[in-house]
Amino acid sequence: GAVVSQHPSWVICKSGTSVKIECRSLDFQATTMFWYRQFPKQSLMLMATSNEGSKATYEQGVEKDKFLINHASLTLSTLTVTSAHPEDSSFYICSANRGQGVGEQYFGPGTRLTVT
Amino acid sequence: DAKTTQPTSMDCAEGRAANLPCNHSTISGNEYVYWYRQIHSQGPQYIIHGLKNNETNEMASLIITEDRKSSTLILPHATLRDTAVYYCIVRLGSARQLTFGSGTQLTVLP
Repeated sequence: GAVVSQHPSWVICKSGTSVKIECRSLDFQATTMFWYRQFPKQSLMLMATSNEGSKATYEQGVEKDKFLINHASLTLSTLTVTSAHPEDSSFYICSANRGQGVGEQYFGPGTRLTVT
Repeated sequence: DAKTTQPTSMDCAEGRAANLPCNHSTISGNEYVYWYRQIHSQGPQYIIHGLKNNETNEMASLIITEDRKSSTLILPHATLRDTAVYYCIVRLGSARQLTFGSGTQLTVLP
């Protein structure tokens, strides 16, 4: 099946610093990628939809100035958590649809962010 | 997207079939039923999807009732590695994103 990778798999940073997470589709092109956040013992919550060559679409309640998304190519989307705080500690997961229309969505392995 | 209802947790003996139910009574005619699973601390994994007919692949079978208001995911011979949270998701065919509910924690017991 299609493969989506994320880097890094885990990161620890100090409060107030910024962290960049990369999401790559390794064997297919993705015009749209998605970023989810998952807190312990909770389900995945969609944060934003990343569109290649245009601005991301953020879900209600997600601060676009805090979670910067860049989708510069058909295989790479990045999420930058700016001025991170302990409450931003979470499991961040990206995904991408392969092809148009109905089809499976492929997920990355996730990035565990811990802000101290 | 239509809302889904799943049991919070289920147990299954290793080697036996695991039958995971999902209720989606408000599903519309152009919405598909998708199943994903998430093993602890990993990204979700696609399992199967269907519209009206029953579907089978190498991982599982999906049984959708004739009125489409509910479905069952069947893992024919559960193994310990099938222990995960299983998500039933209803999604428009034209939609790109997925909306996750709380899912069912399946625990396969030795």
